[in-house]
Amino acid sequence: RKEVEQDPGPFNVPEGATVAFNCTYSNSASQSFFWYRQDCRKEPKLLMSVYSSGNEDGRFTAQLNRASQYISLLIRDSKLSDSATYLCVVNGLGGGADGLTFGKGTHLIIQP
Amino acid sequence: DAGITQSPRHKVTETGTPVTLRCHQTENHRYMYWYRQDPGHGLRLIHYSYGVKDTDKGEVSDGYSVSRSKTEDFLLTLESATSSQTSVYFCAISEPRGDYEQYFGPGTRLTVT
Repeated sequence: RKEVEQDPGPFNVPEGATVAFNCTYSNSASQSFFWYRQDCRKEPKLLMSVYSSGNEDGRFTAQLNRASQYISLLIRDSKLSDSATYLCVVNGLGGGADGLTFGKGTHLIIQP
Repeated sequence: DAGITQSPRHKVTETGTPVTLRCHQTENHRYMYWYRQDPGHGLRLIHYSYGVKDTDKGEVSDGYSVSRSKTEDFLLTLESATSSQTSVYFCAISEPRGDYEQYFGPGTRLTVT
């Protein structure tokens, strides 16, 4: 069975700090990877895709380590508005039809 | 934001009654999905569709059926609702290209009493 594992947290972090969390995945044939953000009682929203070369979007940096089968997300200069649950999502063989596997999420709380 | 709406947004129903949830998209995406989200389980795929009248089962399909007669609409039916189907239901869409990233609707909160 395909699995995506995340530390559920919560991570309590002071505003302005840098925070990082990882997830691991079991399907070595996985082909695409994402971080989604979910606010309380809202839908998941795509934060960023994750590429082997690593990618950055403003204060957010995502890294993929295929050899060790883990994905990371780094948030710099954290804001109160970054408080949310972050879902690690992995796409397996064959693309999107039934291939997405979701982690249960890491809960992040940014404290003033 | 992707043009995805779900209706109703909230529903309370009694055990044994049929319930239909609707997902409507204006993005003309080929793939559509129904998920449920429960504490401790994360998002789990119920059914998905890869085109009009083309559907398939996901991880937790028992007790659910779907229909897609038009590109823009994907219906989820609980044939005889049970308390274990109390959940938040999300619809999602994607295109079969690139990374197949999915975009989610706002969700339907269903309570079965």
